[in-house]
Amino acid sequence: EDQVTQSPEALRLQEGESSSLNCSYTVSGLRGLFWYRQDPGKGPEFLFTLYSAGEEKEKERLKATLTKKESFLHITAPKPEDSATYLCAVQASGGSNYKLTFGKGTLLTVNP
Amino acid sequence: DTGVSQNPRHKITKRGQNVTFRCDPISEHNRLYWYRQTLGQGPEFLTYFQNEAQLEKSRLLSDRFSAERPKGSFSTLEIQRTEQGDSAMYLCASSARKPTGANVLTFGAGSRLTVL
Repeated sequence: EDQVTQSPEALRLQEGESSSLNCSYTVSGLRGLFWYRQDPGKGPEFLFTLYSAGEEKEKERLKATLTKKESFLHITAPKPEDSATYLCAVQASGGSNYKLTFGKGTLLTVNP
Repeated sequence: DTGVSQNPRHKITKRGQNVTFRCDPISEHNRLYWYRQTLGQGPEFLTYFQNEAQLEKSRLLSDRFSAERPKGSFSTLEIQRTEQGDSAMYLCASSARKPTGANVLTFGAGSRLTVL
């Protein structure tokens, strides 16, 4: 069974204080690893898809990286508007290759 | 394209009542998903449609839950005889079929259910 574990559960940063979120995963075969952002009371918003180990993607202050066992979401010089829950999910290759299995998320709070 | 639309956004009901949620996916997407999310948890897969065919149902989806997607367009999720444990955010997502590469799901804003 596919599993995704995110750490830490919650992270509090000062504005400008860079850090990383971790996503460890086990999947029979990886079709893609996804990062989503979710604001309170809203649905997840797509950020990145990573396909293979060594791949990196960037968007503004966020950079996602992927190894064979984990992914990191690096946040450089965060701003208060980056406060949200960040969700990691995997999509397996093979039979059920259409659905996502999510972790519990990391709640990020950036203080001004 | 206005994205994935869900209605109602909030529903408060008494235990034992039936509720129905509606999802209108992105028009060119033929795949539709329902997920459930409780506080502090990530979304959990409930069911999947490809066009009008329901191809997978999670074991989380008890007999009190039924989902339909008539004509492969909008979808409804009905919960009969609601229980307090059904209180959650019900998320709908849609995607286009891709023969290669990962399948990016676009989520709606969700329908929050509170069972008293």
